[in-house]
Amino acid sequence: DTEVTQTPKHLVMGMTNKKSLKCEQHMGHRAMYWYKQKAKKPPELMFVYSYEKLSINESVPSRFSPECPNSSLLNLHLHALQPEDSALYLCASSQAAWGGNTEAFFGQGTRLTVV
Amino acid sequence: AQKVTQAQTEISVVEKEDVTLDCVYETRDTTYYLFWYKQPPSGELVFLIRRNSFDEQNEISGRYSWNFQKSTSSFNFTITASQVVDSAVYFCALSEGDYAGNNRKLIWGLGTSLAVNP
Repeated sequence: DTEVTQTPKHLVMGMTNKKSLKCEQHMGHRAMYWYKQKAKKPPELMFVYSYEKLSINESVPSRFSPECPNSSLLNLHLHALQPEDSALYLCASSQAAWGGNTEAFFGQGTRLTVV
Repeated sequence: AQKVTQAQTEISVVEKEDVTLDCVYETRDTTYYLFWYKQPPSGELVFLIRRNSFDEQNEISGRYSWNFQKSTSSFNFTITASQVVDSAVYFCALSEGDYAGNNRKLIWGLGTSLAVNP
């Protein structure tokens, strides 16, 4: 069983809607990540939080707004998305303060469809 | 520049066959880390292995084994006696780092889709 939990599993939203994706981990990890993955492609890093502070923003459009309320939770607020934003959104965490050289553990993702 | 190449886009085998997934990387750093992840149809990326550049020992974990060769910049993954549950997309990834523990983001290969047929 994954120790990174994402909700919801599936989300369909209109281009004028506001929605949020949620991620939770209870492994005491210091870094948390949001990735976007299109079909048949590898994941693309969006944001990295390290010790609850935003460390990396990979030039993500402002219609995606991350939030880290505490060390266990990570949210991704969505507003005015475009159909091309439809993808699998993966949350991950790693023990080290933002992790290339420690393994990241991923949730099952949220399959987002923007209509 | 860093790069990870997984030349095999799709592989199809019959159950119980052995299968090797290739991964070739490029980096100018002497300190780096290599990873393999499995992504079954459910979507979750499952961590399989992390190997640092100073450890060239091969690794075996059950039916899985990894062959790391710096001379050819390869980190290949072999599944012995494949099973239907091994069907997934497998990603190889590279990260450059340093002794201070400063981390860099993962550079991903495009993945190899493995289908194991009964």
